[in-house]
Amino acid sequence: DVKVTQSSRYLVKRTGEKVFLECVQDMDHENMFWYRQDPGLGLRLIYFSYDVKMKEKGDIPEGYSVSREKKERFSLILESASTNQTSMYLCASGTGRNSPLHFGNGTRLTVT
Amino acid sequence: GQQLNQSPQSMFIQEGEDVSMNCTSSSIFNTWLWYKQDPGEGPVLLIALYKAGELTSNGRLTAQFGITRKDSFLNISASIPSDVGIYFCAGPTLAGRDDKIIFGKGTRLHILP
Repeated sequence: DVKVTQSSRYLVKRTGEKVFLECVQDMDHENMFWYRQDPGLGLRLIYFSYDVKMKEKGDIPEGYSVSREKKERFSLILESASTNQTSMYLCASGTGRNSPLHFGNGTRLTVT
Repeated sequence: GQQLNQSPQSMFIQEGEDVSMNCTSSSIFNTWLWYKQDPGEGPVLLIALYKAGELTSNGRLTAQFGITRKDSFLNISASIPSDVGIYFCAGPTLAGRDDKIIFGKGTRLHILP
């Protein structure tokens, strides 16, 4: 079974802090994705990557950056956390561009 | 851009009832995916559909790829308490180099005792 592991289930950070959300997958997938999930808004794509050191902006990239130094690891970075970034963050991975995604269990981030 | 519209947004049903939900788009999709998200967890793939008209089952779940390729349906028979959660439809956009998988906003299923 594919395993996508997010380093933290819950995080509480202060406004202005730099925040790192880590995601690791164990199935040698080329593609990795970061979504945020908010009530009534569904899953919104923040950034994605189709290869090591490659990154593409999703639908809501503002306030975020990403890093993919190794194939199995995709990090989401909040350069200066703000309260409107309080959300559930979901990492996913997949093979081909149109293949089903496998999700981690999510990180619930609260910014105070 | 392409969007997926799910309905209903939420459902309240009695245990044992059958459930139907659907997903529509103004654009054609070549693949339809159905996910379920349990409370506090990430979404898990339930069923993948790859051909117009295809009907696929996974236990008590049945999904269909609409013939027009603009819709898909998910049915759950004889619901049980563990069916509670959010059901998402998803599909890859057909945008060439920039294609990616997009998600509907979900149908939240509640089961009344």
